[in-house]
Amino acid sequence: DQQVKQNSPSLSVQEGRISILNCDYTNSMFDYFLWYKKYPAEGPTFLISISSIKDKNEDGRFTVFLNKSAKHLSLHIVPSQPGDSAVYFCAASARGSTLGRLYFGRGTQLTVWP
Amino acid sequence: GAGVSQTPSNKVTEKGKYVELRCDPISGHTALYWYRQSLGQGPEFLIYFQGTGAADDSGLPNDRFFAVRPEGSVSTLKIQRTERGDSAVYLCASSFGPGSTEAFFGQGTRLTVV
Repeated sequence: DQQVKQNSPSLSVQEGRISILNCDYTNSMFDYFLWYKKYPAEGPTFLISISSIKDKNEDGRFTVFLNKSAKHLSLHIVPSQPGDSAVYFCAASARGSTLGRLYFGRGTQLTVWP
Repeated sequence: GAGVSQTPSNKVTEKGKYVELRCDPISGHTALYWYRQSLGQGPEFLIYFQGTGAADDSGLPNDRFFAVRPEGSVSTLKIQRTERGDSAVYLCASSFGPGSTEAFFGQGTRLTVV
């Protein structure tokens, strides 16, 4: 049973515009959320994370929003660049004091066109 | 190198054979994880080591899969009597351990069982 869901398999955005990638989760024990980016033939690369005690975390062009009541998080990329084209994975952990096991969504393929 | 290293990068084996996949974590990282990614899916957890011991092996699909980390550094994932359904990319990740906020992934080993 998929505890982390990314319902959009793909997203296409023009360069300079905002990209919004969505993620939903079902397990209320999840208290830490991460976004990874993956290029073909490479391993996932950590992008940004958020703890459940926050509702927003920002790092440069990347912002993650968390809505705990809706069990929903989103990743905003502004402005989008062609180099952002990759598969983005949402992941969750019942972290507590240790990172432990991550539960991943199926990913969203982002394509940023010039 | 400074990152997580996995060998081999590609492995083709015949059904029924035994395979070993190796992971060299980032130096100083006490936590090590194995994940498996099938086509069109997100990474799926297999096992997590803290030091030499398996802290969580609940993701191993059956007793054909086994992993070791005898000295708390390099880990080997072992698959006996391989089946075609074992074909996937096997990803290894490492982190500092308790208190970590992210896991760093290797490039993966693509296993093909023919």
